[in-house]
Amino acid sequence: AQKVTQAQTEISVVEKEDVTLDCVYETRDTTYYLFWYKQPPSGELVFLIRRNSFDEQNEISGRYSWNFQKSTSSFNFTITASQVVDSAVYFCALSVAGNTGKLIFGQGTTLQVKP
Amino acid sequence: DVKVTQSSRYLVKRTGEKVFLECVQDMDHENMFWYRQDPGLGLRLIYFSYDVKMKEKGDIPEGYSVSREKKERFSLILESASTNQTSMYLCASSLRASGRRVTQYFGPGTRLLVL
Repeated sequence: AQKVTQAQTEISVVEKEDVTLDCVYETRDTTYYLFWYKQPPSGELVFLIRRNSFDEQNEISGRYSWNFQKSTSSFNFTITASQVVDSAVYFCALSVAGNTGKLIFGQGTTLQVKP
Repeated sequence: DVKVTQSSRYLVKRTGEKVFLECVQDMDHENMFWYRQDPGLGLRLIYFSYDVKMKEKGDIPEGYSVSREKKERFSLILESASTNQTSMYLCASSLRASGRRVTQYFGPGTRLLVL
């Protein structure tokens, strides 16, 4: 069975702190894709990143970075020098087998960045 | 830019009413999805459609039906609304090709309150 776990329900940091959001997944597929989405207070989920199971290179995009480790089935997301605009709910998701691209979502982590 | 729109941001209905939630995408995507989002549970898939007039049940289809008469439009129907269907409803769309790797793009969501 596929499953995504985001153990951190809520995180609160002060602006300019670094913060890491954890994501642990379970699947028996050898080919799969992992995603991170951001949901600001407006409600719309915004796509951040997609990684496939064969590419374990870490990725950096501005203040955002992602650490994918198959050995621990984790796909963690780090925000460096956090800003108030980073306050949102963040979801990690796993794409299951088949052609429909169905996503299995974690429970979400609410990040509050205080000024 | 991919654009997914939903007919209402907020909706208040009474128990027993028939409710229609509409979703439209403008990127010629084959796949469309309906999720509901509840605190602590993340997003759960209700139904998805991979082509016009084609649909498949997701993880929580009970109490819901869907309609896809045109490629760009996917409707979620609550045949007889109940208070336990009070939730945030999110629509998404994606290309079909090689399903696992395609990214889903989300609409702004509809917050439904059933009294």
